Amino acid sequence: NFMLTQPHSVSESPGKTVTISCTRSSGGIASNYVQWYQQRPGSSPTCVIYEDNQRPSGVPDRFSGSVDRSSNSASLSISGLKTEDEADYYCQTYDYNNWVFGGGTKLTVL
Amino acid sequence: EVQLAQSGGEVKKPGESLRISCEGSGYSFISYWIGWVRQMPGKGLEWVGLIYPGDSATRYSPSFQDQVTISVDKSISTAYLQWRSLKASDSAIYYCVRESNYMDVWGKGTTVTVSS
Repeated sequence: NFMLTQPHSVSESPGKTVTISCTRSSGGIASNYVQWYQQRPGSSPTCVIYEDNQRPSGVPDRFSGSVDRSSNSASLSISGLKTEDEADYYCQTYDYNNWVFGGGTKLTVL
Repeated sequence: EVQLAQSGGEVKKPGESLRISCEGSGYSFISYWIGWVRQMPGKGLEWVGLIYPGDSATRYSPSFQDQVTISVDKSISTAYLQWRSLKASDSAIYYCVRESNYMDVWGKGTTVTVSS
């Protein structure tokens, strides 16, 4: 089994850009698609990026995803930060019928 | 509208059994995998397992294998997550999710509290 490691927390000011990383411990990050989920306090998670860099309908283009094979990591970038982006963000991928979530990153917009 | 409606919160004692449910509506229930995700208090998301209603094929996280059972009744478009003997450590919110090429629909979650 492998793990996905995310920073515990990040913070940035409104209007700025923030990037959250997700590093896969073993196996190639490009072997399976990576998804990103946003969870606001008291709410169910929702997907903001799927298949590495695709946005579900309704997700603003301020959200973007990428994969870097050299660092074996995926990244979620949010530009033009708004206070409503303050939430927990989880990366997720799968391998051999086993789904794995990262530990989550708390984004503070201050 | 595509929805997953989960059963209400439960308060149980250690050793008791429990089954929680997730009813799908607004789409072809048998055509999409349904998964379960655990979130312990103040913690992150953990994948429990999933089931394909069309043929009841199941997949379990190694962490949850033999701890829970996932089942489905496609006649009423409902998936289940059940425990034979609850532990205090099973206390959490359990979300059901629809899996297309990602977890595109989430239920509101069922809170399970296990306490003596």
